[in-house]
Amino acid sequence: ETGVTQTPRHLVMGMTNKKSLKCEQHLGHNAMYWYKQSAKKPLELMFVYNFKEQTENNSVPSRFSPECPNSSHLFLHLHTLQPEDSALYLCASSQGTGRPLHEQYFGPGTRLTVT
Amino acid sequence: AQKITQTQPGMFVQEKEAVTLDCTYDTSDQSYGLFWYKQPSSGEMIFLIYQGSYDEQNATEGRYSLNFQKARKSANLVISASQLGDSAMYFCAMREGTNAGKSTFGDGTTLTVKP
Repeated sequence: ETGVTQTPRHLVMGMTNKKSLKCEQHLGHNAMYWYKQSAKKPLELMFVYNFKEQTENNSVPSRFSPECPNSSHLFLHLHTLQPEDSALYLCASSQGTGRPLHEQYFGPGTRLTVT
Repeated sequence: AQKITQTQPGMFVQEKEAVTLDCTYDTSDQSYGLFWYKQPSSGEMIFLIYQGSYDEQNATEGRYSLNFQKARKSANLVISASQLGDSAMYFCAMREGTNAGKSTFGDGTTLTVKP
């Protein structure tokens, strides 16, 4: 596979469930990101990882727990979510360091519905 | 204050004509990058074009060009010879500093190309 892949593409979960979103990039990038895209709201950056180290956490509630075991994989663990957490969750990667300000490549997203 | 402003929620353009999507930004950093992404109804964010704050020439990528006016802090996207497949949501984004820094996205502009 090439580019950035995300699984699952769609997820419906109850508020008491625990689930995980997975992101994998095949681009050799060093930085990975989680974004949340809700209807009628701008894209919100949630977490940034650079060389497996978390460098940004934009005041995300603790019911979202990221994990980056290596530069190619990024997870978002979900537990006790609220209905307002329903959104499209996008993963992205970029070269990160080196030449600054690389463009980000996005995955197709996971459409999450919390019931 | 909003860092990225896209003032056009929706735009219409006739097929084969050119269209300009507006974007203004706010930053005190000297080093930053401006990006445009396209998001079709499928949800995936597709990188279109990049302009660095120190780049003297306006960026061009095929039918896409970026009209960069640094003093006015604007980075408008120009799409020439619009095609029906250009119908999508377009996001302007900015990344400040170096490394995997913070990313800020605008609210987006929905472009509809009419046959």
